[in-house]
Amino acid sequence: DAGVIQSPRHEVTEMGQEVTLRCKPISGHDYLFWYRQTMMRGLELLIYFNNNVPIDDSGMPEDRFSAKMPNASFSTLKIQPSEPRDSAVYFCASSSRGSFHGYTFGSGTRLTVV
Amino acid sequence: GENVEQHPSTLSVQEGDSAVIKCTYSDSASNYFPWYKQELGKGPQLIIDIRSNVGEKKDQRIAVTLNKTAKHFSLHITETQPEDSAVYFCAASTNTGNQFYFGTGTSLTVIP
Repeated sequence: DAGVIQSPRHEVTEMGQEVTLRCKPISGHDYLFWYRQTMMRGLELLIYFNNNVPIDDSGMPEDRFSAKMPNASFSTLKIQPSEPRDSAVYFCASSSRGSFHGYTFGSGTRLTVV
Repeated sequence: GENVEQHPSTLSVQEGDSAVIKCTYSDSASNYFPWYKQELGKGPQLIIDIRSNVGEKKDQRIAVTLNKTAKHFSLHITETQPEDSAVYFCAASTNTGNQFYFGTGTSLTVIP
């Protein structure tokens, strides 16, 4: 298995622009998580899905953030409009309730908003 | 909700020495405790985990202990090597596969 695949690896955008981050979870995993990592706040859970349905989005900072999971093999995290304080590394992770092996994280997307 | 605290935030050890990282949790319903290692520029990677029905688990140079009464668990790395240098995160969960609550991370440096 190729693991959790995220794209792009790096994204530099100007303030006000729309940013879309993409994630392909491990096949067969029924949970998908989006995390944001910064030096100040560590790993923050933004939202997670179970069987493509959003379960808890209480970590989404504001309405500028939205996430979708149209099918079991693809999810997006969108920021519109982006702001400099959104600069962080965004991780996608997936897991299977029956796997007993915790999350598998992707390599992350480093977002810089200038 | 669950609150996971992790100490120390930074740790430097000489190659060959042992390293210990400690975490506490607040929710007595938590029953699954994974540890993740994050190398520079990469995502966190699961290195070992423990469930609440076990007090200790070992995998080569890495071991984890759990004290349910005191609500704390620890990561022990023996005979440290430079490649052990990374950021380590503890986490707690009440249901495997559901939301994890992460500690704030420990940056471990192994000095050759």
